[in-house]
Amino acid sequence: GAGVSQSPSNKVTEKGKDVELRCDPISGHTALYWYRQSLGQGLEFLIYFQGNSAPDKSGLPSDRFSAERTGGSVSTLTIQRTQQEDSAVYLCASSLYGGGALDTQYFGPGTRLTVL
Amino acid sequence: KQEVTQIPAALSVPEGENLVLNCSFTDSAIYNLQWFRQDPGKGLTSLLLIQSSQREQTSGRLNASLDKSSGRSTLYIAASQPGDSATYLCAVAADSGYSTLTFGKGTMLLVSP
Repeated sequence: GAGVSQSPSNKVTEKGKDVELRCDPISGHTALYWYRQSLGQGLEFLIYFQGNSAPDKSGLPSDRFSAERTGGSVSTLTIQRTQQEDSAVYLCASSLYGGGALDTQYFGPGTRLTVL
Repeated sequence: KQEVTQIPAALSVPEGENLVLNCSFTDSAIYNLQWFRQDPGKGLTSLLLIQSSQREQTSGRLNASLDKSSGRSTLYIAASQPGDSATYLCAVAADSGYSTLTFGKGTMLLVSP
C-alpha cells in the first residue's frame, strides 16, 4: 500500500501566523511520530502517538506547538504564532508496533516550513 | 540523555571505492540501531536495522555492524556508485517501551563518476 504522506510539501508563512501540517500514516500502523529537522541540526523528536493512549509531548519545544491524531489515523501538527526559528522540515513517521527491537519507522517526505 | 555522533560530517570519493561511515552513541540501552538514507528534499529511507542482540546486518552492497557495549556502529558501502550520493543518518531506538529515535547529524556522501 501507500507510504506515509504529508501535506503540504512546502509552506511559506509570515511571522505570527498559525500553520497546520498534516500526516497520513501507513494504514494499520499504531504509532505515529513527528520530528523536526532544522538547518545544520539533526532530527529532533517532537511528539509520539500510540493507539488510543495519551501522546508523549515531551519533545515539543514550546506551548505554541500542538498535535492531534483523529481516529487513530491522520495527525495534524499545529504551530501557533509562528516564529522564524520554527523554519525547518517537519517529518512524520509511522510504525506498526510503536516499540521493540524489530519496529521500523517509515518516514514521509516532510513539509518544508519557511517563516518570513 | 542519549547523544549520537556521526563521523565524518562529509565525505567525497570517486566511484568504485569502498567506504565506511561511523556512528557512536552514549547510552547502550537501546532496542536497535538504524541507518537511513536521505536524498535532498526527500524523506528518510530505512536501509538497515540492527537489533541490539545482533552484530551486523547486510543488504546488497551495504553492511552495518553494531558493537553495543562500546556504543559504536559502522556502515560499510562496497563499490560505491554515484547513485549512493546522499546523506546517511544513524539513529538509535531507546530501550524504554517505545522507540523514539535519536539521530546523528548525518554524513553527506558524494560519489563522483
